[in-house]
Amino acid sequence: AQTVTQSQPEMSVQEAETVTLSCTYDTSESNYYLFWYKQPPSRQMILVIRQEAYKQQNATENRFSVNFQKAAKSFSLKISDSQLGDTAMYFCAFDYGQNFVFGPGTRLSVLP
Amino acid sequence: DSGVTQTPKHLITATGQRVTLRCSPRSGDLSVYWYQQSLDQGLQFLIHYYNGEERAKGNILERFSAQQFPDLHSELNLSSLELGDSALYFCASRDRAGYTFGSGTRLTVV
Repeated sequence: AQTVTQSQPEMSVQEAETVTLSCTYDTSESNYYLFWYKQPPSRQMILVIRQEAYKQQNATENRFSVNFQKAAKSFSLKISDSQLGDTAMYFCAFDYGQNFVFGPGTRLSVLP
Repeated sequence: DSGVTQTPKHLITATGQRVTLRCSPRSGDLSVYWYQQSLDQGLQFLIHYYNGEERAKGNILERFSAQQFPDLHSELNLSSLELGDSALYFCASRDRAGYTFGSGTRLTVV
């Protein structure tokens, strides 16, 4: 079974600082995708960033970047220049085509 | 607007009742995934349909069922509702870029 673990239930960061959210996963699949989703208080699920497992280059999307370590099955999200609007639950997710498995989430608070 | 449409946005019903949640995927997307999110919990996969056929089933209770119609919209039927079924129910559709979620249906069972 595929599992996704996020070991940090809650984190906080000062505005304009950098924060890294951790995610590890377990799978025997070789081809898959990894995602980070953001869920603000509105509860809408918003795609933050996506990584294909066959790509060695880490994905970057503006202030958001990932550190993908395939051998270690690790997929962390770095948020640079944190903004108040980044306050949300962040879910790491794993997609191997048949299903889309979410981690338990990390609640991030950006402090002014 | 994500392009994935869910109705209704809110639903309040009594224990023992039956409700139907509706989802229309983005235009051109053939897949529909249903997820349940209880309060302050992660998303639990319920079921996946692709072009009218069930493709995968997660931790979906026997009291719950779903189907996808020829026009590709999907319905999630929840019956014999219990207080613990109160949750946010999301559907999502998938394309090559990833998954796009609807805004969810908040179900409250009283």
